[in-house]
Amino acid sequence: GDSVTQMEGPVTLSEEAFLTINCTYTATGYPSLFWYVQYPGEGLQLLLKATKADDKGSNKGFEATYRKETTSFHLEKGSVQVSDSAVYFCALKGSGNTGKLIFGQGTTLQVKP
Amino acid sequence: DTAVSQTPKYLVTQMGNDKSIKCEQNLGHDTMYWYKQDSKKFLKIMFSYNNKELIINETVPNRFSPKSPDKAHLNLHINSLELGDSAVYFCASSQKGAGNQPQHFGDGTRLSIL
Repeated sequence: GDSVTQMEGPVTLSEEAFLTINCTYTATGYPSLFWYVQYPGEGLQLLLKATKADDKGSNKGFEATYRKETTSFHLEKGSVQVSDSAVYFCALKGSGNTGKLIFGQGTTLQVKP
Repeated sequence: DTAVSQTPKYLVTQMGNDKSIKCEQNLGHDTMYWYKQDSKKFLKIMFSYNNKELIINETVPNRFSPKSPDKAHLNLHINSLELGDSAVYFCASSQKGAGNQPQHFGDGTRLSIL
């Protein structure tokens, strides 16, 4: 079945460092891909999405490109801030019509001043 | 103002009890979901309803019974609570068939079983 694999965390960076969180997926058909962010004590918020191959999603300085050839959707940010400290989830929505999201295991990011 | 609201935010109870969690969305969406997040932050779909009809039921013990009185509400009732039910439960909603619109999540209900 469909699945998502993210890099293990926690990832600890200094402020202004470059961030990459790897995400790869396995799916039949043409899934849509998402990154969600969960700040401490809060629910999940959509960060960005991409719905077809080579699409680039971007928001708040974060970006990710839908790479069908490598089945990847890596999250990047050029310069992280302390306020970016959160758990980041990569997710896919398969080509079926249930709307179900399949999540990766989440990657905790800690940014130190 | 809150788009997807869950109550209660925290629920502490004893093993064997029965409890309910309520969810309401004011986004006009027709599909609602329950997800369970375990202690390692892993998120897994439990149920989904579209226009009050169950469309996803993912190998969840039958002690869990979702109820959707209308398309804006999806409640979760849990009978005979067990230690392994301790988790954060998230409600979400989306509009089915609206392209690839994202799901909107509530803030979660943290359930702790003593």
